[in-house]
Amino acid sequence: GNSVTQMEGPVTLSEEAFLTINCTYTATGYPSLFWYVQYPGEGLQLLLKATKADDKGSNKGFEATYRKETTSFHLEKGSVQVSDSAVYFCALSERGGNNRLAFGKGNQVVVIP
Amino acid sequence: GAGVSQSPSNKVTEKGKDVELRCDPISGHTALYWYRQSLGQGLEFLIYFQGNSAPDKSGLPSDRFSAERTGGSVSTLTIQRTQQEDSAVYLCASSLAGSNNEQFFGPGTRLTVL
Repeated sequence: GNSVTQMEGPVTLSEEAFLTINCTYTATGYPSLFWYVQYPGEGLQLLLKATKADDKGSNKGFEATYRKETTSFHLEKGSVQVSDSAVYFCALSERGGNNRLAFGKGNQVVVIP
Repeated sequence: GAGVSQSPSNKVTEKGKDVELRCDPISGHTALYWYRQSLGQGLEFLIYFQGNSAPDKSGLPSDRFSAERTGGSVSTLTIQRTQQEDSAVYLCASSLAGSNNEQFFGPGTRLTVL
C-alpha cells in the first residue's frame, strides 16, 4: 500500500536558519506529492505540491522537489521566520484513484526569535 | 468565500454514547473526504464521497462508524457506541472532482470520549 515517512521528532531552530524536513514515500503507482501545513489553532492548508517526477513545488519561500529515484519529497526553506512555526505534513495521493491522501506523521517546527 | 465548515468544534461524550459530526463542504465541490487525526495514528483516511457514486468506505475502522452525504452536499459522520480510542480530531475536506485537485480542509471536530 501507499505510505509516507517523515523524520522523527520536532524541529527547533532560530530565525533565519535553514530548514529541511525529510519525507520519503512508498507507492504502487505514480503518486502526486504534497506538503500541508497546520498553523496553531488553524486547519490544514496546502503548502505546495508536485505531480510528476522532477517537478518542484514552491510557495511562501518553501520548496520541495519530486525525486522518483530516491522516492523523496524533502521540504526546504532558506531562511525561516517565527511565523513559520507550525506542523508540517507530507502526503501523497495515487493518480487515477479517488484522490485520498496518505499522510506522514507530521513534524512540529518551532522557530525561536 | 466560505470554506469547509464543521460542527460541533468540540464534543465531549461518555463511552457507549452515539455521536454525529457534521461537515458542510465548499459549494460546488463534488468530492468530500473524512479523515481522523489522533496522537497515536496521525492522519488517517476514513471515507470518500464523489457525486452520486457509492462511497469508498475502506478507511472506516469498524462497523460502529458510518457516514452519509445527503443531496450531494452536507455530510454526517456517525460513531455508535463510542469508545475511548475514538477520541481524535475528525477532519472533513472537499475538492472539485478529478485527480490532483486541492483538498480544502475544515477546522475539525475534536471528539473526547470519557
